[in-house]
Amino acid sequence: GEDVEQSLFLSVREGDSSVINCTYTDSSSTYLYWYKQEPGAGLQLLTYIFSNMDMKQDQRLTVLLNKKDKHLSLRIADTQTGDSAIYFCAENENNNDMRFGAGTRLTVKP
Amino acid sequence: SQTIHQWPATLVQPVGSPLSLECTVEGTSNPNLYWYRQAAGRGLQLLFYSVGIGQISSEVPQNLSASRPQDRQFILSSKKLLLSDSGFYLCAWSTGGLQPQHFGDGTRLSIL
Repeated sequence: GEDVEQSLFLSVREGDSSVINCTYTDSSSTYLYWYKQEPGAGLQLLTYIFSNMDMKQDQRLTVLLNKKDKHLSLRIADTQTGDSAIYFCAENENNNDMRFGAGTRLTVKP
Repeated sequence: SQTIHQWPATLVQPVGSPLSLECTVEGTSNPNLYWYRQAAGRGLQLLFYSVGIGQISSEVPQNLSASRPQDRQFILSSKKLLLSDSGFYLCAWSTGGLQPQHFGDGTRLSIL
């Protein structure tokens, strides 16, 4: 199975908060990342967190890391229709071995 | 600023035909370069990576090969395409170490 696991689908109403969850297995992972993929496009780096941090906030995005449980989450505040996309969690122990989850498809309903 | 270009954006090829996908990076020197394949509804599978000119590491056995003829150019090739080669191919670059990878817009490859 995947080293990095995510639920495949999430649906929210416009204006609500979205929380996308991810679990990883490599306790030595140093960086953890969130990427966004819009239809037919490549992956856009949203944010990343170093493993010695618990939280990182960047405007509407909040990343929480629970290293003990190997759990990473991405919270999008005030979700907009333009946030509809696939979100990928990734872990990186060394830069040539970056492992991605299968992606969570976020649907934002008006 | 750095930019990454992939082409073509879409490609339809018959089974058994050759393939050449190109990726170039601008605004940086000696980047690490990567080719990924994304199957429908799946995550990314790393195919090849390169840490320098002429240096290619293959992650999975397959019908594909990669080359890096210049510092900022990465090419994905095949001599004879299979139906199973269909997918979305993504090129990425990084500055190395633990810095994040940055992706191109991808090539949608359909094999008929």
